[in-house]
Amino acid sequence: DQQVKQNSPSLSVQEGRISILNCDYTNSMFDYFLWYKKYPAEGPTFLISISSIKDKNEDGRFTVFLNKSAKHLSLHIVPSQPGDSAVYFCAASASGTYKYIFGTGTRLKVLA
Amino acid sequence: NAGVTQTPKFQVLKTGQSMTLQCAQDMNHNSMYWYRQDPGMGLRLIYYSASEGTTDKGEVPNGYNVSRLNKREFSLRLESAAPSQTSVYFCASSETVGGEAFFGQGTRLTVV
Repeated sequence: DQQVKQNSPSLSVQEGRISILNCDYTNSMFDYFLWYKKYPAEGPTFLISISSIKDKNEDGRFTVFLNKSAKHLSLHIVPSQPGDSAVYFCAASASGTYKYIFGTGTRLKVLA
Repeated sequence: NAGVTQTPKFQVLKTGQSMTLQCAQDMNHNSMYWYRQDPGMGLRLIYYSASEGTTDKGEVPNGYNVSRLNKREFSLRLESAAPSQTSVYFCASSETVGGEAFFGQGTRLTVV
């Protein structure tokens, strides 16, 4: 039972354009969400997070949107850069559970 | 500042052998975690330690044991390795339990 789903295994975007990565969840108890970026042969790196009391959080080129009614979040990268090419994981947790459930990841390729 | 350090980086084991994966963090974080990453499965939590002296099971604890040796170190032990434990293992730490986690570079383990 996959509680956090990233249905697009891969995405290619031209440099300078917007990258939109999507994530869906099924557990209505989830109230905190994060995005991680992972380069080959490295550990995941924290990118941005959002609490369920918000519907948007922005940090430089990265914005995360949360739609609680649809149980959907998305990560927008504007403008996309070749260095953004990596695998992106979304993760979700419910208060008090102390653990994150990760999606399967989306491989982003930004073309120069 | 090394962050989270895992040893070894690579290991090949024969079925039935035992080994311990080591993890140390120098960020004075309270919480530490062990994840495994398998193709198409995302990252799955094996065990976590909310604070020094405590450990708890995650999503996939069977076949593993952990020790929180002190605040810095959290080890993962495979008592009798099985081919199903072939995976990439990541250790992570966070300042508070459930907070944004910092990951090590991973240990690629193959059990033959």
